[in-house]
Amino acid sequence: TQLLEQSPQFLSIQEGENLTVYCNSSSVFSSLQWYRQEPGEGPVLLVTVVTGGEVKKLKRLTFQFGDARKDSSLHITAAQPGDTGLYLCAGERRGAQKLVFGQGTRLTINP
Amino acid sequence: GAVVSQHPSWVICKSGTSVKIECRSLDFQATTMFWYRQFPKQSLMLMATSNEGSKATYEQGVEKDKFLINHASLTLSTLTVTSAHPEDSSFYICSAEQGVSYYNEQFFGPGTRLTVL
Repeated sequence: TQLLEQSPQFLSIQEGENLTVYCNSSSVFSSLQWYRQEPGEGPVLLVTVVTGGEVKKLKRLTFQFGDARKDSSLHITAAQPGDTGLYLCAGERRGAQKLVFGQGTRLTINP
Repeated sequence: GAVVSQHPSWVICKSGTSVKIECRSLDFQATTMFWYRQFPKQSLMLMATSNEGSKATYEQGVEKDKFLINHASLTLSTLTVTSAHPEDSSFYICSAEQGVSYYNEQFFGPGTRLTVL
């Protein structure tokens, strides 16, 4: 059973388009992190959201935490080839040390 | 800040030998570190949680006698793959946990590519 369902798992779009990646769960998370990973490298932390309904922006990336802290989304505006990579969401449940990871979204932005 | 290093970045070894991978938090102290394994085009799979000064907690299905973890200081955890076999070939990634107010963040190392011949 996958505790964090991430969708879509693969996405290939043209430069300049917008996209949204979703992470959904039936569990409540005390915090949720988004990472971006390039081939042969470790994941790099993009943002952490902790409050229900919270919205954080990182340049063209907008992250939202659901009101009930069970889901999150990543929206990219005017995608660029440099946004290509594997995007991972990971949730921390209260009282648990470890993160629960989504399956990942492999994003390809075509010039 | 929050930089984590791993060494080596890649290693090739013969079947039956042991390989040690180091994970260091360079600019913060980490009571807890984590070891992950990642298969091609897949997400991260947690292998074990490493706590400084105590035994590691292994995930179900991970052999603790095969994947030895030592967390002897607040900035260093090591993973030793003992008697490695070709099926152990993978990308191993560590992370170090940094507490931020009332939640924790994990910062990842660059990974170690292990190839067992």
